[in-house]
Amino acid sequence: DGGITQSPKYLFRKEGQNVTLSCEQNLNHDAMYWYRQDPGQGLRLIYYSQIVNDFQKGDIAEGYSVSREKKESFPLTVTSAQKNPTAFYLCASQYGTENNQPQHFGDGTRLSIL
Amino acid sequence: AQSVTQLDSQVPVFEEAPVELRCNYSSSVSVYLFWYVQYPNQGLQLLLKYLSGSTLVKGINGFEAEFNKSQTSFHLRKPSVHISDTAEYFCAVSEGGGADGLTFGKGTHLIIQP
Repeated sequence: DGGITQSPKYLFRKEGQNVTLSCEQNLNHDAMYWYRQDPGQGLRLIYYSQIVNDFQKGDIAEGYSVSREKKESFPLTVTSAQKNPTAFYLCASQYGTENNQPQHFGDGTRLSIL
Repeated sequence: AQSVTQLDSQVPVFEEAPVELRCNYSSSVSVYLFWYVQYPNQGLQLLLKYLSGSTLVKGINGFEAEFNKSQTSFHLRKPSVHISDTAEYFCAVSEGGGADGLTFGKGTHLIIQP
């Protein structure tokens, strides 16, 4: 079945450590997204990529980095510069490069601080 | 820039009763509108979308929504809810142009009481 796979499901970060969240899709979608979800805050856009080797900052990119070396993969690194990383992280993908297409979501990674 | 307001953070409803979840948006251009549902510790699933045409949109699980341009609203309705509808519901908007991500409301927690 086609879909989006996020791993790991749960992740713990120590102080001063960078961690990387994986997102892989086999839907042959062009665009991919990372959102952060905090209780009562909805989803906020961190980064997005419309094409391989290109990505754009979203509303809350500080303390995060991404890469898009392959169409199927869009990993997110939470750096030590992100002082409040505890959240639920959702990856999404979309067919095409127009905003009238719905986004498909993975099941998320929950990141906590040790 | 667009924004989305979901007026109720929680909506308690008795089983088999009707429900309406409210969503208002602001945008200076034409928009595309979406409703997503999120079950605990999972990603988001698309319920329905409005792109153009008929203002009454039908989605999955018996849900429907009506686009009202003059009131800038996109309220979600279901005539008779079931225990399994207990979840978080998100309204989202995107504007025409490139695939630069969705703007989400803060969500409404639908609580079905037996």
